Amino acid sequence: SQQGEEDPQALSIQEGENATMNCSYKTSINNLQWYRQNSGRGLVHLILIRSNEREKHSGRLRVTLDTSKKSSSLLITASRAADTASYFCATPRARSGGGADGLTFGKGTHLIIQP
Amino acid sequence: SAVISQKPSRDICQRGTSLTIQCQVDSQVTMMFWYRQQPGQSLTLIATANQGSEATYESGFVIDKFPISRPNLTFSTLTVSNMSPEDSSIYLCSVGSLNQPQHFGDGTRLSIL
Repeated sequence: SQQGEEDPQALSIQEGENATMNCSYKTSINNLQWYRQNSGRGLVHLILIRSNEREKHSGRLRVTLDTSKKSSSLLITASRAADTASYFCATPRARSGGGADGLTFGKGTHLIIQP
Repeated sequence: SAVISQKPSRDICQRGTSLTIQCQVDSQVTMMFWYRQQPGQSLTLIATANQGSEATYESGFVIDKFPISRPNLTFSTLTVSNMSPEDSSIYLCSVGSLNQPQHFGDGTRLSIL
């Protein structure tokens, strides 16, 4: 089943405005990660927030995590045309015996920054 | 962070044929992962490639359709077999440890005519 569900699915804003994307998940997690994808290329990791953290910053990015609501948000401040991309949240899949087992991705938000 | 080279970057193939995608990492890694991204969709995990053992496939993906090799700790291949237009997707490999960021290749954009 889909672990992460983003909203909105698409967002178009003017350059300089802030963009907020939300993600919900269903099961307990150790961390939640946000990725960016430009034009169907590979994914670039943006931020990882651990389950015991509530907020994390990286440059113009701010991520929040509410484990009680099983939700996270990604805020991009002072948006630029170069921020135009698809943004995905993802949660780790842990195998029962320990060790990595890939990620479960949300549906993604396609962000368009209009100059 | 790991640097991943994936090739080909894109291909157009005839239905019924097979294509092998290569993923090369610049460091030794235990786990490598293969994802499919159908047009306009999110990423779905196909399988986990383990060195020295059979790949672990997710529900809906089978070895006959997506055979995977993992001959050493820096390399893996994914073959898309007997392709049909429904296989038109971006295929991506990634590496990463549990609870750490994943690093992705640039993907292979595959179109089947």
